[in-house]
Amino acid sequence: SQQGEEDPQALSIQEGENATMNCSYKTSINNLQWYRQNSGRGLVHLILIRSNEREKHSGRLRVTLDTSKKSSSLLITASRAADTASYFCATSWYGQNFVFGPGTRLSVLP
Amino acid sequence: GAVVSQHPSWVICKSGTSVKIECRSLDFQATTMFWYRQFPKQSLMLMATSNEGSKATYEQGVEKDKFLINHASLTLSTLTVTSAHPEDSSFYICSARDPSGRGEQETQYFGPGTRLLVL
Repeated sequence: SQQGEEDPQALSIQEGENATMNCSYKTSINNLQWYRQNSGRGLVHLILIRSNEREKHSGRLRVTLDTSKKSSSLLITASRAADTASYFCATSWYGQNFVFGPGTRLSVLP
Repeated sequence: GAVVSQHPSWVICKSGTSVKIECRSLDFQATTMFWYRQFPKQSLMLMATSNEGSKATYEQGVEKDKFLINHASLTLSTLTVTSAHPEDSSFYICSARDPSGRGEQETQYFGPGTRLLVL
């Protein structure tokens, strides 16, 4: 089965710095999505990138996808304390359900 | 955007009782909903896919008689944890795709989750 694996598992940065999280997967995908989860809450969809796309932006978020390396990165620029959360990547292949990675716990210190 | 709600948000029950969790799509119709389970500081594990008007599809290792799923309408799916035991204590999250075309169809919209504690 597909598996997204995030790296690092935990990341602690100062407010204003950039945060980069990586995701690797094992099998073919048609899209990869990033989600944020605040402690004890549901998941919020951040961005979807398709397998034929290499980079996508949304506000302070920048996602890249390298299908040859089966990896993706999520960059959060100018981080804020409110960005503190767990971030998950999820992969899917046409019609197959999502497989989530273990997530990266991001702490943004004021 | 598409909104998914869950009820209750948390529940405490005695061992041996059954607990029902509801998942609703509030502003769209969802022919398919998904149920996940999440342990503390871990990722989400897909339990089953709920299909409106038909039987749910369970992932390997998930007991269908333990976790009963009913998708009786296009906006409601329920997960019933039968004869709950302390090891069933977890965070249960549902999600649904919005086929209306407002967003990208592959996006799953998640409910806020239900925290279950079995004593």
